Amino acid sequence: SQQGEEDPQALSIQEGENATMNCSYKTSINNLQWYRQNSGRGLVHLILIRSNEREKHSGRLRVTLDTSKKSSSLLITASRAADTASYFCAIPVTGANSKLTFGKGITLSVRP
Amino acid sequence: GAVVSQHPSRVICKSGTSVKIECRSLDFQATTMFWYRQFPKKSLMLMATSNEGSKATYEQGVEKDKFLINHASLTLSTLTVTSAHPEDSSFYICSARFQGFGYEQYFGPGTRLTVT
Repeated sequence: SQQGEEDPQALSIQEGENATMNCSYKTSINNLQWYRQNSGRGLVHLILIRSNEREKHSGRLRVTLDTSKKSSSLLITASRAADTASYFCAIPVTGANSKLTFGKGITLSVRP
Repeated sequence: GAVVSQHPSRVICKSGTSVKIECRSLDFQATTMFWYRQFPKKSLMLMATSNEGSKATYEQGVEKDKFLINHASLTLSTLTVTSAHPEDSSFYICSARFQGFGYEQYFGPGTRLTVT
């Protein structure tokens, strides 16, 4: 399967703590993306990391990519209750770079 | 920027009727639009990819006669669920992509369809 697999499936932390979420995949990719979905809503694009990048930052988000291990991690620092959501990694479909496949997602709960 | 809207946000219809869902890119021209279906606590399942002015490309297992997709303009795509059945009840989400923006997709807020 081309889709990424996120780990853990669910994560519960206290506000202020850091949240680390992982994604593993099996195919060669030229980019990997992370999205957030609030309950009952559409997805919001968070960050894209290209295959020639190892780390990328955006505000409190830090994404790493290890193409040798075929894995990526999303770190949210100093979490807030508003970060409570589902997080998905998405990888391009081989041969069809405009299409994405999504993992099952990680449910993050940030306790105030 | 890169806002995508969907209408309606919720719809309840009777079994056997058809329902149309609209997806619009509000501030950019979408090179490609995608339609997904999401079951509770499940990932998104890509149903089809559509490019403006051409026929949609459906994923394996998705009935094109049941899920009609029209991409009439660079800012509008519609999904019509024909002869809806209770098993079609789901959360349908569209996304749009503009080639000049890169690989990111911009998602609509989703439509909750309930077929009674």
